[in-house]
Amino acid sequence: NAGVTQTPKFRILKIGQSMTLQCTQDMNHNYMYWYRQDPGMGLKLIYYSVGAGITDKGEVPNGYNVSRSTTEDFPLRLELAAPSQTSVYFCASINLGTGGGEAFFGQGTRLTVV
Amino acid sequence: AQSVTQLGSHVSVSEGALVLLRCNYSSSVPPYLFWYVQYPNQGLQLLLKYTSAATLVKGINGFEAEFKKSETSFHLTKPSAHMSDAAEYFCAVSDPGANSKLTFGKGITLSVRP
Repeated sequence: NAGVTQTPKFRILKIGQSMTLQCTQDMNHNYMYWYRQDPGMGLKLIYYSVGAGITDKGEVPNGYNVSRSTTEDFPLRLELAAPSQTSVYFCASINLGTGGGEAFFGQGTRLTVV
Repeated sequence: AQSVTQLGSHVSVSEGALVLLRCNYSSSVPPYLFWYVQYPNQGLQLLLKYTSAATLVKGINGFEAEFKKSETSFHLTKPSAHMSDAAEYFCAVSDPGANSKLTFGKGITLSVRP
């Protein structure tokens, strides 16, 4: 059972570099989310998607972009990395049904910008 | 807008003692409520959820939570703490409507003393 797969697990970027964090789920969930987790701050929603071709901003979208061309994939793009983007990033997918759904999380990507 | 408040950032209990982690929510509609647990260097996993059925919800590992609408609370409890319960715990809320977003509290770190 793969669930939600994130790559890479760790990455060090230099200021101004760009990268894409990959997220793939094999549960056919329509809803997918990107969060960042900073110590003592909980999880902040960056972007989310309610289905292929549909994305929307969350609480902290600045400096990031997303796309959702398929149900399975929801990559997160950092165009010009800044030290403020040092964080742990989590992708999640949710089976939102009448029962309220359950979010399934990837293992996270620990990103350091230097 | 929906929100979650988890007062305090750290709770320490002795092994065998009661665990009580507090969560208060704000939502304009009857919400779905969740507790997630995060072990070190891992993603989040669902402990339990409330979706407008029984107000007392039982989850995994002996945890339970009670939805109290009058107090807008969803506190997490466990009668007897175990060393393996040491982790970070997040309360989350979602609006059961379309385009729902899952909003997290800041999290509480639970330590268990021998």
